Amino acid sequence: DIVMTQSPSSLTVSAGETVTINCKSSQSLFGSVRQKNFLAWYQQKPGQSPKLLIYLASTRDSGVPDRFIGSGSGTDFTLTINTVQAEDLANYYCQQYYDTPYTFGAGTKLELK
Amino acid sequence: EVQLVESGGGLVQPGRSLKLSCLASGFTFNNYGMNWIRQAPGKGLEWIASISSSRSYIHYADTVKGRFTISGDNARNTLFLQMTSLRSEDTALYYCARQGWELPFDHWGQGVMVTVSS
Repeated sequence: DIVMTQSPSSLTVSAGETVTINCKSSQSLFGSVRQKNFLAWYQQKPGQSPKLLIYLASTRDSGVPDRFIGSGSGTDFTLTINTVQAEDLANYYCQQYYDTPYTFGAGTKLELK
Repeated sequence: EVQLVESGGGLVQPGRSLKLSCLASGFTFNNYGMNWIRQAPGKGLEWIASISSSRSYIHYADTVKGRFTISGDNARNTLFLQMTSLRSEDTALYYCARQGWELPFDHWGQGVMVTVSS
């Protein structure tokens, strides 16, 4: 199984700051045939279902603000949130969908000062 | 508008069975793979089962393999999860989620709670 290691587990920032969340996979998520990284990022606000933010490592889902930026390739990936806003308070998860069993990182809890 | 609505959860004793449903609307159900993901109280996300758009290819997490069965009824636009031999560690909020080609889980239901306890 592909293990997803996400860091940090929690983060406390002030509104307007930039946040970086890291995600490392135990094997490459780059598909050599399709030349794509099968890595996604989700946001889960308290009491809500997860929401897809980023897929194929760097493509924002429809309606996702451009302050959310996904980057990385192979085994190392990053979610950057520029100019964090109060509404970004949530848990963030990375997930590999390169192969089953699909696996998630343990999550990063973003709290605001 | 894409909608996924889960139902069928509740309180069940260890060793018993339960069947969850996920009614899909707003998209062509048989064009998409579907998944079940669960979240234990206060914990992270755990994928547990997937079924391809053709409904021919099925995968399970080791934690539920042999006990849970995923299926889809394209005529009723409904995804199912038959759960047997339930254990206390199966207590969780169960989500169904849609998966398109080369996409992860792009739409999720609101979740249905399953509590396994005597």
